[in-house]
Amino acid sequence: QVQLVQSGGEVKKPGASVKVSCKASGYTFSNFALTWVRQAPGQGLEWMGWISAYNGHTIYAEKFQGKVSMTTDISTSTAYLELNSLRSDDTAVYFCARGSSLCSGNHCFSYWGQGTLVTVSS
Amino acid sequence: DIVMTQSPLSLPVTPGEPASISCRSSQSLLHSNGHNFLDWYLQKPGQSPQLLIYLGSYRASGVPDRFSGSGSGTDFTLTISRVEAEDVGVYYCMQALQTEGFTFGPGTKVDIK
Repeated sequence: QVQLVQSGGEVKKPGASVKVSCKASGYTFSNFALTWVRQAPGQGLEWMGWISAYNGHTIYAEKFQGKVSMTTDISTSTAYLELNSLRSDDTAVYFCARGSSLCSGNHCFSYWGQGTLVTVSS
Repeated sequence: DIVMTQSPLSLPVTPGEPASISCRSSQSLLHSNGHNFLDWYLQKPGQSPQLLIYLGSYRASGVPDRFSGSGSGTDFTLTISRVEAEDVGVYYCMQALQTEGFTFGPGTKVDIK
């Protein structure tokens, strides 16, 4: 069965960077893009962007350009989300998600990771 | 950017009764392939979101048939024919037409009266 397992929570100081991982299993990793979604405490869902696991092509939401870097490691079926220059308002749960083959675009997120809480605090 | 709005933002429901949530987009979500690029998700308390409806009206695998999606263009509705206690949570619509930037609606919190 398809599983997305994310790395554990992180506590970082302002200005630092953090790298969150999302390890996929149960399917051919290169066949699907992976999307990252952010949820600040008590807030709604925010689409951050996606990365093709086939060729590494990325699309970032305009708001996150220059802030995030999405990468993949096909050898370990793992996707990564790196956030730089962390600020207190980057404190959030970060989810990875995978689309369904039922949809032609990189949506219909049928599979989600459990989420990773990143806390930015001095 | 396509802006998504939802109403109501809070919806107290009575088990066994129907409930509906409206989602509107600032631009048409109707793709040239004839499908509306609009998904619905439910985030139950303490859980990751789950897909309910995709392409406007297609129920995702394992989703009870009391959930249905309708609408086209800019106006969409998620309907629960008979609410059950396990349906509480926050419901989000999301547009996926603009590939350079998907956007979620603000969410509708559903709880039991």
